[in-house]
Amino acid sequence: GAGVSQSPSNKVTEKGKDVELRCDPISGHTALYWYRQSLGQGLEFLIYFQGNSAPDKSGLPSDRFSAERTGGSVSTLTIQRTQQEDSAVYLCASSRTTGGRYEQYFGPGTRLTVT
Amino acid sequence: AQKITQTQPGMFVQEKEAVTLDCTYDTSDPSYGLFWYKQPSSGEMIFLIYQGSYDQQNATEGRYSLNFQKARKSANLVISASQLGDSAMYFCAMREGTGYSTLTFGKGTMLLVSP
Repeated sequence: GAGVSQSPSNKVTEKGKDVELRCDPISGHTALYWYRQSLGQGLEFLIYFQGNSAPDKSGLPSDRFSAERTGGSVSTLTIQRTQQEDSAVYLCASSRTTGGRYEQYFGPGTRLTVT
Repeated sequence: AQKITQTQPGMFVQEKEAVTLDCTYDTSDPSYGLFWYKQPSSGEMIFLIYQGSYDQQNATEGRYSLNFQKARKSANLVISASQLGDSAMYFCAMREGTGYSTLTFGKGTMLLVSP
């Protein structure tokens, strides 16, 4: 079946502009996660959604970052007033319980470059 | 303190040889899950293998096995009969607690397989 998809695959933006990154999870997966991967910081958790529960936003680095998930499916991560330190690969993952494993399946990522 | 430690920034192995990638973890939660992911140069994170904290036997998935030593808090990945296509970055990750939860990743180990 189809995996997690993300768009765009690459985004170059000027400092100070807003960007939106999209994630389409695997059908039937109730949990959706956003991570950020950068050279200096490795893989960092940003935010996750599970069903109808309030999202866990504990990993968002600043209030310039926000995310929403519509209809329990597609999610959009928004970064306002982008800064150069926001340059990274943004990875989305989705999961469902499989015998208690809850393994996460990742999309190909969006490479964000802030100039 | 680091929750996931991968002490080998890089490893080299010859084709058809076995290789062990080290991972130690730190948690006080009695329930947790340990995961290994592969990230080839294309960038996508590929789920390889899972070990639950209460699993009595070491996990195996094809050429991948997980050497789980609970008392030592280690979860080393063993790749048997290495192939050129195994060249990639490998990440160890942990989910604390039960149910849906975020993953904490190690810094990764770059594996290079030579002919």
